[in-house]
Amino acid sequence: QVQLVESGGGVVQPGGSLRLSCAASGFTFSSYGMHWVRQAPGKGLEWVAFIRYDGSNKYYADSVKGRFTISRDNSKNTLYLQMNSLRAEDTAVYYCAKDLASKAAAGNNWFDPWGQGTLVTVSS
Amino acid sequence: QSVLTQPPSVSAAPGQKVTISCSGSSSNIGNNYVSWYQQLPGTAPKLLIYDNNKRPSGIPDRFSGSKSGTSATLGITGLQTGDEADYYCGTWDSSLSAAVFGGGTQLTVL
Repeated sequence: QVQLVESGGGVVQPGGSLRLSCAASGFTFSSYGMHWVRQAPGKGLEWVAFIRYDGSNKYYADSVKGRFTISRDNSKNTLYLQMNSLRAEDTAVYYCAKDLASKAAAGNNWFDPWGQGTLVTVSS
Repeated sequence: QSVLTQPPSVSAAPGQKVTISCSGSSSNIGNNYVSWYQQLPGTAPKLLIYDNNKRPSGIPDRFSGSKSGTSATLGITGLQTGDEADYYCGTWDSSLSAAVFGGGTQLTVL
């Protein structure tokens, strides 16, 4: 079965950096676009970034553009999120999610399934 | 402030039907497909509806989706206490070149 396992979360000071990983299994990782979505404590979902199945295109939410970088290693079936210049408002559970359809372009993205999430806390 | 607007909460009795609305604009719902997600307390979200009205395998037909113009609706019939959750609509916004979600609707089954 499809499994997504996030790791790398933790407590970091404002201005610091963190790299999240999402280990994928149970499907052909190199055929699916992948997303990061976050949820601040007690708040709703906020999409963060998307990377196409082959890494050729990347999209970001305005709130993280220039600070976060999404990447993938298809040989390791792993998705990454490099987070720099972290702010208190970046505190959230970060989920990775797989596109429902293989090789979907941006704009035709349905998140299925989701990982269990990893908590990032930005605090001094 | 979410790009898509949902009511903060809805409620209905067991066995009844409820609808949850999601309002957007021509740059998002008006020209892109809508999806819906269910988030049970303490768990990750789950895809309920995609392409406006399609259900992934395993999702019961008690859940339905529709879209008209710049609004979408999630319908749930035969409400069960296990349906108590937060529900989110989502789509792509062509002007932002970003995926967007509604603020979420908390469903209470009285």
